[in-house]
Parts: sequence; structure tokens; C-alpha cells
Amino acid sequence: ETGVTQSPTHLIKTRGQQVTLRCSSQSGHNTVSWYQQALGQGPQFIFQYYREEENGRGNFPPRFSGLQFPNYSSELNVNALELDDSALYLCASSLDGWDTQYFGPGTRLTVL
Amino acid sequence: DAKTTQPNSMESNEEEPVHLPCNHSTISGTDYIHWYRQLPSQGPEYVIHGLTSNVNNRMASLAIAEDRKSSTLILHRATLRDAAVYYCILQTGANNLFFGTGTRLTVIP
Repeated sequence: ETGVTQSPTHLIKTRGQQVTLRCSSQSGHNTVSWYQQALGQGPQFIFQYYREEENGRGNFPPRFSGLQFPNYSSELNVNALELDDSALYLCASSLDGWDTQYFGPGTRLTVL
Repeated sequence: DAKTTQPNSMESNEEEPVHLPCNHSTISGTDYIHWYRQLPSQGPEYVIHGLTSNVNNRMASLAIAEDRKSSTLILHRATLRDAAVYYCILQTGANNLFFGTGTRLTVIP
């Protein structure tokens, strides 16, 4: 059983740009969730996808969007980047909903 | 408003039990309580979760107060590998998830 992987590891963007972060879930896991973790803080839930449909969303604006694909990969897209978007972005997969989540190592995004 | 509140840090001696508290006074009847821990430079790792009854697994125990407004994560014998930030999390019926600020556990050899 392979773990959850994320790419890239690090990324630097400038304010106003768009970014796409990628996640590869464990095979057979129907649910993927994305989180934003600012330095020194706990993760904040962005949204969850179940079988390619958004299944729940935290308090994030529409410029944060996602996609989940049938091959257990997913994307987090952020438009019009702001300085406060600088954070570690984590994805987590689970068999179903809020079952045990398996987290990836994260993508560190820096917005200048 | 924070959904869960936790102490910022705690210390424990190695091989001693550890009780990590969490307050969640606004919890509603369908909200689950989850605990995850995070080691430096890693994603969080599942520890345990429950709804109303106390729960045990190979890693820890979860004791939930009768009124469900607080819970305690119990590590029965702390090891150096248990040093991490422990997050108490509420999963709401509206399919949202709220992490607390976490308790940094230091295990003293």
C-alpha cells in the first residue's frame, strides 16, 4: 500500500498569480480532503471531495477550488494569490468520508 | 470562536501515562471528536476518534465526559516517539472539520 504523495514539495509564487497543487491518494480511497496550515498553527479544513464531487467546505473563498479524478489523484487550485496564502498545504485521503485520514507530507507555498 | 481549546504544551516523563485535555463546550449531538498528532515536518497522523462512549485502540484511549463538553486523550506509557503536537478536532454534522491549536507534548527521558 503506497502512501499519500504531494507535489511539488515547495513552490514560490507572486501575489496575483494562480497555483495548482497535486495530491495522489492511496489506491481505493474515495475521499480526499485539503487543508491549509499556517506556520505555528493547526491545519484549517479547505474542502473535501468524495467520488469527484465536493462533499464539504470550510471557510475559504471561491478562489480556492479543487478537482478529484478517477485515478485517485486530485488538485487544489488557488487563484489571485494573496500574501496570506503562504502556508503548508496538506491533502489527506480516506476510504470514506471522515474515516481515518492518511496525510501527505504537504506542499510549502510561499507567496511574495 | 474556537471549537476546541487545548493547553499549548505539556511535559511527561518517559513510560509515564499522559492525559491530554480538550474542551469543546459548543459540541452538538452529532459532532465527532477526533485526535491526530503531528511530528515535525510531517503530515498529521490519526490517533483515535469517538462520539459518545470511551474508545480504546492500540495507540491510546479517548475518555469523553458525560456531557461531551470535554474529552481527554490518554497515552498509557509515553515514549520518546510520542513527542509531537496533538490536535483535538471536531467533525460537525455539516461536514466540516475544526482543528484546535494543538498541545505540544514533550517526553522527558
